[in-house]
Amino acid sequence: SQQGEEDPQALSIQEGENATMNCSYKTSINNLQWYRQNSGRGLVHLILIRSNEREKHSGRLRVTLDTSKKSSSLLITASRAADTASYFCATDRLTYTGANSKLTFGKGITLSVRP
Amino acid sequence: GAGVSQSPSNKVTEKGKDVELRCDPISGHTALYWYRQSLGQGLEFLIYFQGNSAPDKSGLPSDRFSAERTGGSVSTLTIQRTQQEDSAVYLCASSSMVPYEQYFGPGTRLTVT
Repeated sequence: SQQGEEDPQALSIQEGENATMNCSYKTSINNLQWYRQNSGRGLVHLILIRSNEREKHSGRLRVTLDTSKKSSSLLITASRAADTASYFCATDRLTYTGANSKLTFGKGITLSVRP
Repeated sequence: GAGVSQSPSNKVTEKGKDVELRCDPISGHTALYWYRQSLGQGLEFLIYFQGNSAPDKSGLPSDRFSAERTGGSVSTLTIQRTQQEDSAVYLCASSSMVPYEQYFGPGTRLTVT
């Protein structure tokens, strides 16, 4: 079943602009992650935010998490043409053993950055 | 260090044939995952191995799909009597206990004709 759902499904912006992508989920989570996928390639991990965190930064990336609204946003500042890719949010839930659980992915957002 | 590798990168097979897809995880990673991605779609979880625990097979779509992980390292996903709807990119990922970031391989593109 779909856990994370991103919006918008597609986003087209001009180079230099900021890109904001949103993700909503349905059940309680342990962590939320964002991944990027370039066309036809494997996924690359971007950033992980834990359920007790509200905001996290990594370079030009800023992720927020609102557990009360079950939503997260990924902001890419000063976008570049090389940021063109699909972006996925993924959630995992805490298991009884504390071990990793499977990630549940959304369907992704297609970001196009025009040079 | 070396990342997750998968082989073959592309596989074309005839309907009804069996196929085996291989995944070499990052050395030392205890968890290994298989996902499937159809054209333009998100990732569909298939199966998950964690250490010596019984695998989580809840995502396997039918009994034609099976996977094993030998020696806690290399994993093989087997699809028997392939069907056209099995055509997809099959992605493998591995992770350590902590942190939980998953590292993905480049995938195997399976085409069933």
